[in-house]
Amino acid sequence: DAGVTQSPTHLIKTRGQHVTLRCSPISGHKSVSWYQQVLGQGPQFIFQYYEKEERGRGNFPDRFSARQFPNYSSELNVNALLLGDSALYLCASSLEVRDTQYFGPGTRLTVL
Amino acid sequence: AQKVTQAQTEISVVEKEDVTLDCVYETRDTTYYLFWYKQPPSGELVFLIRRNSFDEQNEISGRYSWNFQKSTSSFNFTITASQVVDSAVYFCALSEALISGTYKYIFGTGTRLKVLA
Repeated sequence: DAGVTQSPTHLIKTRGQHVTLRCSPISGHKSVSWYQQVLGQGPQFIFQYYEKEERGRGNFPDRFSARQFPNYSSELNVNALLLGDSALYLCASSLEVRDTQYFGPGTRLTVL
Repeated sequence: AQKVTQAQTEISVVEKEDVTLDCVYETRDTTYYLFWYKQPPSGELVFLIRRNSFDEQNEISGRYSWNFQKSTSSFNFTITASQVVDSAVYFCALSEALISGTYKYIFGTGTRLKVLA
């Protein structure tokens, strides 16, 4: 079975632009979570979605938003990009909200 | 507040040596889960183990073993007879219950393991 997939792999944007990152969960998984990992740190929780509803939000500004689609795939949107948004964005899926989260390869975002 | 501490920033060992990665956590939850993930240079976090707070049995999987001690809030990870392919950053993580009834994961800062041939 395919694992979690994310697109694009890499992305370069300039300050002030917006970006959309995409994630497809493992087949049958209903929950998707997003994490931000800056260089040298552990991942930080951004959002969790389950059955298209937001079930958790981390300490990130309103410039960050996400949604989940009927097929359980998800998008993470970041508006008004800042240099500090440069990071690896990881998507994780789980069967149900309390099950183990399995991570995708991430999208590496560079903001210039 | 929930917190995971991995005090070892980087460890270097020679192939075939045993190595232990330390993880200490703080939590206010009575029920929680602990995890270890491996992050190779490709960036993907690879799940290794999940442990329930009520299950303090140690676990062994091949060359990997985990020691969970609730009394010291530690969940250490040992690799026996290390191999070059074990080189990666290893993260310990703790579940934190959210108001919605779901969990988010709190990660430590990771330990970079270098296994030299």
